[in-house]
Amino acid sequence: DADVTQTPRNRITKTGKRIMLECSQTKGHDRMYWYRQDPGLGLRLIYYSFDVKDINKGEISDGYSVSRQAQAKFSLSLESAIPNQTALYFCATSDQDGLRSYNEQFFGPGTRLTVL
Amino acid sequence: GESVGLHLPTLSVQEGDNSIINCAYSNSASDYFIWYKQESGKGPQFIIDIRSNMDKRQGQRVTVLLNKTVKHLSLQIAATQPGDSAVYFCAENSGGSNYKLTFGKGTLLTVNP
Repeated sequence: DADVTQTPRNRITKTGKRIMLECSQTKGHDRMYWYRQDPGLGLRLIYYSFDVKDINKGEISDGYSVSRQAQAKFSLSLESAIPNQTALYFCATSDQDGLRSYNEQFFGPGTRLTVL
Repeated sequence: GESVGLHLPTLSVQEGDNSIINCAYSNSASDYFIWYKQESGKGPQFIIDIRSNMDKRQGQRVTVLLNKTVKHLSLQIAATQPGDSAVYFCAENSGGSNYKLTFGKGTLLTVNP
């Protein structure tokens, strides 16, 4: 979805390096998410944020940290990258509708990260 | 633990046929379900959703069926086209009011011309 952008799209780095993946959205959504996708494992939630002051751990947060700099920006950091963090990373956003509690998540194009 | 799974990891159909992709879920408290389509090199794209108070919902060429008795979800695609070739994921809201999605592992649909 063009309204959710991720940078970089591809990154190769070495073990021990600090890496930041960035996500920006123009949808005006309050909720943002970071997922990791590995072959055969589907999408797994790393962190999520329901507004600028809210940060929550997902099912696989170890080794990752996030920052919600503004409503439109949510970054994911790997403080010391390791090879098993090689994966495809997706950012997603969703809105909270007062009439309907649940709304679909809109995904960015993904960042392919390789840790050597 | 709770999980969302798929019966078939791959499905191959002929163009024009109907496709059915199945998904089993184990969290009886899940109240919202979504089907996503992911094409190669792209992020997942919303197809259709259904709430647990419904058992069927139709979209354009797609229908989602929910059977809460056996915790089963299916996606039916009518008159499958080559552009439907992709990985399809089901997802359930496992977080209640906190709204967190748990994704299945995906089914690869291949449409043969």
